[in-house]
Amino acid sequence: NAGVTQTPKFRILKIGQSMTLQCAQDMNHNYMYWYRQDPGMGLKLIYYSVGAGITDKGEVPNGYNVSRSTTEDFPLRLELAAPSQTSVYFCASSYSQGASEKLFFGSGTQLSVL
Amino acid sequence: DAKTTQPPSMDCAEGRAANLPCNHSTISGNEYVYWYRQIHSQGPQYIIHGLKNNETNEMASLIITEDRKSSTLILPHATLRDTAVYYCIVLGLPNFGNEKLTFGTGTRLTIIP
Repeated sequence: NAGVTQTPKFRILKIGQSMTLQCAQDMNHNYMYWYRQDPGMGLKLIYYSVGAGITDKGEVPNGYNVSRSTTEDFPLRLELAAPSQTSVYFCASSYSQGASEKLFFGSGTQLSVL
Repeated sequence: DAKTTQPPSMDCAEGRAANLPCNHSTISGNEYVYWYRQIHSQGPQYIIHGLKNNETNEMASLIITEDRKSSTLILPHATLRDTAVYYCIVLGLPNFGNEKLTFGTGTRLTIIP
């Protein structure tokens, strides 16, 4: 099992450009999450999904969109990139929502918007 | 409204036990205590969790005080690869789901050779 795979690992965008951060998991997990981590800070939840076709906002959803057409994939879309979106983005998954279920994280995408 | 309090940084000598404290004085009876760690530039990694009893796995031990207001994560024989930021998180009813996991700034543990 590869676990949670994120691509790309690094990306530089110009202000106003758009891009999609890819996330895939091969563990048949129902739940998937997108976090961002600014330098020296903790992680903040952007969006999450409890299954294919179902998504919901997290703490900081503005400027982002997500979709979940399959169990395996959970892409994050930035439509009009802004410098405030410079961050490291982590995707995670878990089998269920329960408090005893642990999260599995990808290795992250480092995004710079200039 | 922080639910946990951790020291911002700690050092530990290689080979010694690393004891990371966490205060969670407002924890309720159905909330779990979770520990994750984040090694530089990587995604967080689950370590251990517990409700009331002490827990041990291949990575660490979790000691929860009887009143559940604080806990200690113990890495029994720290190695250089244990250098990381360690997050203590409480989670449970009514906000039960993993989407409610909140990663603060944690404790930066440095293992000294």
